[in-house]
Amino acid sequence: DTGVSQNPRHKITKRGQNVTFRCDPISEHNRLYWYRQTLGQGPEFLTYFQNEAQLEKSRLLSDRFSAERPKGSFSTLEIQRTEQGDSAMYLCASSSLGGPTDTQYFGPGTRLTVL
Amino acid sequence: QKEVEQDPGPLSVPEGAIVSLNCTYSNSAFQYFMWYRQYSRKGPELLMYTYSSGNKEDGRFTAQVDKSSKYISLFIRDSQPSDSATYLCAILTGNQFYFGTGTSLTVIP
Repeated sequence: DTGVSQNPRHKITKRGQNVTFRCDPISEHNRLYWYRQTLGQGPEFLTYFQNEAQLEKSRLLSDRFSAERPKGSFSTLEIQRTEQGDSAMYLCASSSLGGPTDTQYFGPGTRLTVL
Repeated sequence: QKEVEQDPGPLSVPEGAIVSLNCTYSNSAFQYFMWYRQYSRKGPELLMYTYSSGNKEDGRFTAQVDKSSKYISLFIRDSQPSDSATYLCAILTGNQFYFGTGTSLTVIP
């Protein structure tokens, strides 16, 4: 396991369609985070899991967004009824508890384009 | 006021120059400070982290934190064209990370 992986890397969809992204974290990491990044901006926190529990959600995460981590390993992020404003890079990161910092390691991201 | 402010640049320097990248933050309770490097169309990559005031060195990179001024810096010595990327500062408090907007750096050979 060499790092965090995300699939697909690119997704183009039409407005109103649903999309689902997958994140596979580093295997021994029990924390998993989702971020959204638009051009020229830093990542914006969306939500995070500790094992299978979703512990925090940002106000940015509207009702159209849902994330799961059913077995505490991989996670999915679903966006329903996509809007053009959802076009962004969706980043996943993972980390492990126990150190002095919760250092996150990022995946390559899924770039979403909503037409 | 945003939690973390970072000058977006762009910054362009000749090879071998010393680069200074800076961020300010608003909440004195912030505890941990990170710098990430992000190449185009890639996820951010952790460069350095620190949690105390002062300097921390790693090769050509030095991270500096001044908690009294709420100011963090990243210095790159002997900059190389391969250092061309966007540099993001990030601050951890509790369970949430706050990222700066990133500074785009180009090192010209």
